[in-house]
Amino acid sequence: QVQLVESGGGLVKPGGSLRLSCAASGFFFQDYYMTWIRQAPGKGLEWVSYISDSGSTIYYADSMKGRFTISRDNGRKSLYLQMHSLRVEDTAVYYCATLENGINHWGQGTLVTVSS
Amino acid sequence: SDELTQPASVSESPGQTARITCSGDGLLKQYSYWYQQKPGQAPVLVIYKDTERPSGIPERFSGSSAGTIVTLTISGVQAEDEADYYCQSTDSSGNYVIFGGGTKLTVL
Repeated sequence: QVQLVESGGGLVKPGGSLRLSCAASGFFFQDYYMTWIRQAPGKGLEWVSYISDSGSTIYYADSMKGRFTISRDNGRKSLYLQMHSLRVEDTAVYYCATLENGINHWGQGTLVTVSS
Repeated sequence: SDELTQPASVSESPGQTARITCSGDGLLKQYSYWYQQKPGQAPVLVIYKDTERPSGIPERFSGSSAGTIVTLTISGVQAEDEADYYCQSTDSSGNYVIFGGGTKLTVL
């Protein structure tokens, strides 16, 4: 079955950097668009970015543009999110998910806390 | 506007029909998707492309579309359906993903 496992979350100071990873299994990773979604504590869902199956097409939400970089390694069946210049308001659970006819498979998320 | 607007909360009694709406100008041309999220869990896709139900989702969940308003209907709502529900679509270009603010469904 489809499994997505995020890692790399943790506590970071404002202005710091963090790299999230998502390990995929149970499906042909190289055939799927992938996306990152985040959810601040007690708040709603917020789309972060997505990347096409080949990695040639990438989009970011405006508030993440220039600070976050999405990438993938199809050989390693892994998705990444490099985050720089982190702000307190970036504190959230970050979910990795497949994007095909909706966001149809989600990981359990990794918590990123930005605090001094 | 590319915003999606949902009611903050909806309440319904067990066995009745719960309806959650989502409005946005972009829904006239873009598909809608619905997600259920229970406390402490990742969201689950319950409706895609306005009206389609993924395998494994109970038949009591259905979706409909009328112009700039889409509706998630839960027929014969059960206590286990109590959750937050989010609608999702894309902007007018089709390139950016957008979510509604979410609706808390309470089963009284």
